Amino acid sequence: DTGVSQDPRHKITKRGQNVTFRCDPISEHNRLYWYRQTLGQGPEFLTYFQNEAQLEKSRLLSDRFSAERPKGSFSTLEIQRTEQGDSAMYLCASSLYWIGELFFGEGSRLTVL
Amino acid sequence: AQTVTQSQPEMSVQEAETVTLSCTYDTSESDYYLFWYKQPPSRQMILVIRQEAYKQQNATENRFSVNFQKAAKSFSLKISDSQLGDAAMYFCAYRSADSGNTPLVFGKGTRLSVIA
Repeated sequence: DTGVSQDPRHKITKRGQNVTFRCDPISEHNRLYWYRQTLGQGPEFLTYFQNEAQLEKSRLLSDRFSAERPKGSFSTLEIQRTEQGDSAMYLCASSLYWIGELFFGEGSRLTVL
Repeated sequence: AQTVTQSQPEMSVQEAETVTLSCTYDTSESDYYLFWYKQPPSRQMILVIRQEAYKQQNATENRFSVNFQKAAKSFSLKISDSQLGDAAMYFCAYRSADSGNTPLVFGKGTRLSVIA
């Protein structure tokens, strides 16, 4: 098992375009989290899944953001009509059960021009 | 809502010396978990150490130890015998011990430099 993987590692897009990030968690982990990290800040919670169910969404997750985890495996985070303020590192993490250690991926860096 | 404060944006330490990173948090809960995560440059975040609030004994992992002061809501990280590989961003984080529906809350981080 190679850990949590995220793709792409870096995405540059123009304002108004849609982007999608993918996260592959550690295979047996049933919890999957998305965080956003901007420069000089700690990670901010966006949303999380337990298996395929999306259990909580932060107020940071505007209507332009949508996340899915079909079949409780990989997850996607889509941002529609990107804005410059969406530029950030998007981190994915997974854990085995709610109290388990969070294992993070290397992140997907989004730059919106 | 719980908040985590790291008051030291940057710290530096000489190789082989000891450094302490500060963290305070605000909560009305009595049962929770506290963590220190390390984020090396361009690499993924990894867990350094974890403390359960119901445990009075301070957690220790090799060269890393914490000073958990529950009444003061303080959770500092001590790194002994600092090594060049310890250079990274360090994040303090809090998680409620409820059913698990509350996410991990992070501080803004402390950038640690290790001087050879």
